[in-house]
Amino acid sequence: DTGVSQDPRHKITKRGQNVTFRCDPISEHNRLYWYRQTLGQGPEFLTYFQNEAQLEKSRLLSDRFSAERPKGSFSTLEIQRTEQGDSAMYLCASSQTQGGSGELFFGEGSRLTVL
Amino acid sequence: AQSVAQPEDQVNVAEGNPLTVKCTYSVSGNPYLFWYVQYPNRGLQFLLKYITGDNLVKGSYGFEAEFNKSQTSFHLKKPSALVSDSALYFCAVRDTYKYIFGTGTRLKVLA
Repeated sequence: DTGVSQDPRHKITKRGQNVTFRCDPISEHNRLYWYRQTLGQGPEFLTYFQNEAQLEKSRLLSDRFSAERPKGSFSTLEIQRTEQGDSAMYLCASSQTQGGSGELFFGEGSRLTVL
Repeated sequence: AQSVAQPEDQVNVAEGNPLTVKCTYSVSGNPYLFWYVQYPNRGLQFLLKYITGDNLVKGSYGFEAEFNKSQTSFHLKKPSALVSDSALYFCAVRDTYKYIFGTGTRLKVLA
């Protein structure tokens, strides 16, 4: 399977704990995105990487959130001191700039539940 | 800023009937518009896009969308709905490098 993969698929944690999600994009894709989706809502943009550079970060992303993409391959999204309001589906997507047709390819998502 | 709106939270249609899921957009410049589908507990799957060219765009699973510049709309259509089309549908617009999604429309196809 050469699609976008995310791990873990589900995470239950207690308020105040730190969590980390991993995303492995399609190998030839140089752009990587993180979105957050809450129940009944559309995906909300969090951040975007081109290769290893984080080019844009939403104001939704508080100081407790950090994302990295070392060496322009996989990416991690860490949430520190989780709050109940962080409960959501975290979606990763990738796309390519050259020769691509512009659409995003999404992973299955990582669902976070904060108790 | 670019945005899209999906005015209907839910659309019900009988199997075999044509379906339409509505989307309107607000952009400066030429719009890059997309439709995605989401099944329960899954990620989003790309259906089709409009970049330029023909106003009628054909996509996956028999879906098509009509771009209407004067009405700033990009409605998703299918001539004959299937029960398996029941899912959540999102319209999206590209804003520079990021993609802005609508709130989604739940499509229920009744047997």
